[in-house]
Amino acid sequence: DGGITQSPKYLFRKEGQNVTLSCEQNLNHDAMYWYRQDPGQGLRLIYYSQIVNDFQKGDIAEGYSVSREKKESFPLTVTSAQKNPTAFYLCASSSTGKVPSEQFFGPGTRLTVL
Amino acid sequence: AQSVTQLDSQVPVFEEAPVELRCNYSSSVSVYLFWYVQYPNQGLQLLLKYLSGSTLVKGINGFEAEFNKSQTSFHLRKPSVHISDTAEYFCAVSDRWRGFVAAGNKLTFGGGTRVLVKP
Repeated sequence: DGGITQSPKYLFRKEGQNVTLSCEQNLNHDAMYWYRQDPGQGLRLIYYSQIVNDFQKGDIAEGYSVSREKKESFPLTVTSAQKNPTAFYLCASSSTGKVPSEQFFGPGTRLTVL
Repeated sequence: AQSVTQLDSQVPVFEEAPVELRCNYSSSVSVYLFWYVQYPNQGLQLLLKYLSGSTLVKGINGFEAEFNKSQTSFHLRKPSVHISDTAEYFCAVSDRWRGFVAAGNKLTFGGGTRVLVKP
């Protein structure tokens, strides 16, 4: 089955630690995205990548980092510089072109800082 | 810069009653518009999208939306809801293609509307 997988489903982190969230897709999509979801605030874009080895900051990139070494993978690292990292994190992917195609979403990772 | 406003944060509705979820956007350029649904603790799923053509768009699960350019709105409707429609709904906007920049792939989301269907 084609789709997007995110792991782990739940993640607990102590203050001061970096953690990495995994996102893998087998849809052969060029573009991948990371969103943060907080209650009542919708989804906010952290980083996005439209091609391998290239990525751009979204609206709330501070305290986060990404890499895009393979087409299928777009891991997100939440660093200790992120002041309020407890949230639900969603990864998405889409094809690219002149007309925006549907973004397909993974099931999410819920990060809690203890 | 774009922005999306979903005017209702929560909408309670009885089963088999109609529902309308309001979405207004602001953008300096022409846009594409989307509605997504999120069931508890899951990712988002596309309900429908407006790219061009007819302003009335039909989607999955009996939902439809109407694009109104003069009012910069894209309200979502369903004539008769089911218990299974209990979920959070998100409106999103994307810029139109602008030459070499594939801006169309970047979405801006509204804050979401939580629909609770009561028996």
